[in-house]
Amino acid sequence: NAGVMQNPRHLVRRRGQEARLRCSPMKGHSHVYWYRQLPEEGLKFMVYLQKENIIDESGMPKERFSAEFPKEGPSILRIQQVVRGDSAAYFCASSPDQGSNTEAFFGQGTRLTVV
Amino acid sequence: GNSVTQMEGPVTLSEEAFLTINCTYTATGYPSLFWYVQYPGEGLQLLLKATKADDKGSNKGFEATYRKETTSFHLEKGSVQVSDSAVYFCALRARSNYQLIWGAGTKLIIKP
Repeated sequence: NAGVMQNPRHLVRRRGQEARLRCSPMKGHSHVYWYRQLPEEGLKFMVYLQKENIIDESGMPKERFSAEFPKEGPSILRIQQVVRGDSAAYFCASSPDQGSNTEAFFGQGTRLTVV
Repeated sequence: GNSVTQMEGPVTLSEEAFLTINCTYTATGYPSLFWYVQYPGEGLQLLLKATKADDKGSNKGFEATYRKETTSFHLEKGSVQVSDSAVYFCALRARSNYQLIWGAGTKLIIKP
């Protein structure tokens, strides 16, 4: 059973370009969470999705950021018109349900660098 | 609101030394508590967890006890190895929520 797969592992974008980060959850998992880790900081929750639905996007910046988890295919975190402050590691996690005792399995992350 | 505070790193130890990484939290109710580890170039892996007061989580020689009275979940290991070098994150999840609230991480360096 493959783990959570994120790609690309490293992404370099120039200011103003778009960044698309992909996350394939573990088999059988329908809950996906995106977190962002700024340098020297802990992870911060961004968004929680179930298949075709955004459940909670309270941690997502109101502009330029969007996320989706279509019926088929990976979850996508999209950042439009990137700025230097978007440089961070973006982690995706998945779980089979949302119980408080349920373990969330994490991917290896995508390290975005905006130049 | 909920928060997690970890001791700052890096923590540098010699092989076979005793390890403690402090973690304290602020939360309403009784959250679940977790330690995650991030080895160089890899993703986050769950190391251990505890879901109620006085529970002890343990894995790979690491232990942490959920202390409600001191709101702490300190990570300990009796004899560290070079292979334990990594960044360790303490996190909590409130009962009524699914979000993980994270500490800033503590980098551990073990020298042979």
